[in-house]
Amino acid sequence: TQLLEQSPQFLSIQEGENLTVYCNSSSVFSSLQWYRQEPGEGPVLLVTVVTGGEVKKLKRLTFQFGDARKDSSLHITAAQPGDTGLYLCAGVAGSARQLTFGSGTQLTVLP
Amino acid sequence: DVKVTQSSRYLVKRTGEKVFLECVQDMDHENMFWYRQDPGLGLRLIYFSYDVKMKEKGDIPEGYSVSREKKERFSLILESASTNQTSMYLCASSSPGQGSSYNEQFFGPGTRLTVL
Repeated sequence: TQLLEQSPQFLSIQEGENLTVYCNSSSVFSSLQWYRQEPGEGPVLLVTVVTGGEVKKLKRLTFQFGDARKDSSLHITAAQPGDTGLYLCAGVAGSARQLTFGSGTQLTVLP
Repeated sequence: DVKVTQSSRYLVKRTGEKVFLECVQDMDHENMFWYRQDPGLGLRLIYFSYDVKMKEKGDIPEGYSVSREKKERFSLILESASTNQTSMYLCASSSPGQGSSYNEQFFGPGTRLTVL
């Protein structure tokens, strides 16, 4: 089983601060996804990165896929309370249809 | 609005009971998945299915079985519930597509199961 490790596991910051969440593996993934899960709901896809070195931006969120396609990061600029949630990375190995999920980062943004 | 629905949001059962968790999707997706989510462990895949009457074991299938008689419905069965199966259960579906939508999974709201 391929593993994805996320860090930090918990993060509590003040509104307006910047933060970075990391997702690391010793395995190569053909693509990597980031999901956000709010309390009482299932995860919702934020972005998919496919190419090594790829950077994608979604408003204040910046996602990067490592050159070797083994790691990824999520950077949030000027965090807001609405960013609070559980952030999960998930990798696709080869042509598989299933995902391998990381353990998640619980983000709390305090007003 | 596309949807994955799960039969119950909260469920309380006793040890040894047979438990059925139902999942229905309205997106005509081929692929369906059952996960359990526990704090600090992320989502762990229990079973998945790529077609009607087809099933594959995930990473933690022990103590569970599944049924997929219709394309839109995927059921998770706990034959004899145990306390270590207390967890959040999430169902998801996806369709093999192209480009960035490939492998996007759509999740239901989850069923929080407590086994006493």
